Amino acid sequence: GENVEQHPSTLSVQEGDSAVIKCTYSDSASNYFPWYKQELGKRPQLIIDIRSNVGEKKDQRIAVTLNKTAKHFSLHITETQPEDSAVYFCAALNSGGYQKVTFGTGTKLQVIP
Amino acid sequence: DVKVTQSSRYLVKRTGEKVFLECVQDMDHENMFWYRQDPGLGLRLIYFSYDVKMKEKGDIPEGYSVSREKKERFSLILESASTNQTSMYLCASRLMHSSGANVLTFGAGSRLTVL
Repeated sequence: GENVEQHPSTLSVQEGDSAVIKCTYSDSASNYFPWYKQELGKRPQLIIDIRSNVGEKKDQRIAVTLNKTAKHFSLHITETQPEDSAVYFCAALNSGGYQKVTFGTGTKLQVIP
Repeated sequence: DVKVTQSSRYLVKRTGEKVFLECVQDMDHENMFWYRQDPGLGLRLIYFSYDVKMKEKGDIPEGYSVSREKKERFSLILESASTNQTSMYLCASRLMHSSGANVLTFGAGSRLTVL
């Protein structure tokens, strides 16, 4: 089955700086890589995703990159703001079938004003 | 918006009790999941179901069972609760887009404490 590793477990940045969270996956059949954000006391919500036929995807201040050869993908947040403080989870799965969704262990991001 | 509703936000149970956690979604999704969330361990999959009466073990099924008698409802059962099952339990429902996107919508969570 799929195994997803995520680093770092905690990350503190100054407001305005960039933050990068990295994930690796094990199953070469995985072709869909979503990222979820969980604010304190709230449910996880999808913020961005990428499919394996794309190397990079951007949505305003967030971007995700994928290196299929190395089996790793990363979340980049630029110009961080206090409201970016949350726990971020990556996941990897094969979107072609009814596969389970395997998450990384999460990164707690703290943006210091 | 898809709504995933978990019946209990907070529960306190005693060791050995049978516990039912209920989850209902209102968007006719075929796939439903139960995760538990623990600090430092992330979201770990307990069971999932890709259709009515279908169930598949996740990564940590021991001590749990599930029931999916109706499409909209997915129940997690702890036959005999133990203290190591104290955790936050998250239910999710999945929409599979034709584009290949898999969007999980989570419930608000059920925080279970076993004394």
